[in-house]
Amino acid sequence: DQQVKQNSPSLSVQEGRISILNCDYTNSMFDYFLWYKKYPAEGPTFLISISSIKDKNEDGRFTVFLNKSAKHLSLHIVPSQPGDSAVYFCAASDDSGGSNYKLTFGKGTLLTVNP
Amino acid sequence: GAGVSQTPSNKVTEKGKYVELRCDPISGHTALYWYRQSLGQGPEFLIYFQGTGAADDSGLPNDRFFAVRPEGSVSTLKIQRTERGDSAVYLCASSSRVQETQYFGPGTRLLVL
Repeated sequence: DQQVKQNSPSLSVQEGRISILNCDYTNSMFDYFLWYKKYPAEGPTFLISISSIKDKNEDGRFTVFLNKSAKHLSLHIVPSQPGDSAVYFCAASDDSGGSNYKLTFGKGTLLTVNP
Repeated sequence: GAGVSQTPSNKVTEKGKYVELRCDPISGHTALYWYRQSLGQGPEFLIYFQGTGAADDSGLPNDRFFAVRPEGSVSTLKIQRTERGDSAVYLCASSSRVQETQYFGPGTRLLVL
């Protein structure tokens, strides 16, 4: 039972354009969400997070949007750069339930930014 | 500063053998986590240490898996009687405190033949 779903295995965009990566979750207890980026042969690197009390969080070129009623979040990268090419993982945790350390990850989306 | 390191980077073993995977967390980080990433999947939580004690080992798949952190720093994940299904990348992460950002190591790629 996949509690965090990333339904697009891959995404290809042109350099300079917007990349939108989507994530859905089924567990209504999740209240903290994160995006990690992973290059080949490296561990996941934290990118950005959002608490369920917010609907948007921005950090430079990266913005995460949260729609709690739809149990959906998205990561926007503007403008996209070739160095952004990587696998992006959506993750969630139950912050208020005492197990906020236990991240539940989606399967990841491979983003390719073409020059 | 140095990030999380894991050794070995790759491990090939035969079915039924015993393996140990090592994790060196970021210096000063009290919380340490193990995850397993199978092919085509995202990382799955295995166990969490706060200091020397395993605070939550609910993700360990069965009693062939065991992890220790005797001095509250380096951790070792131990797998007995390995099976082909244990083949995966084993990721270690650490954080300064339990609620802080988890920083991942590069992982150990385990292949059980």
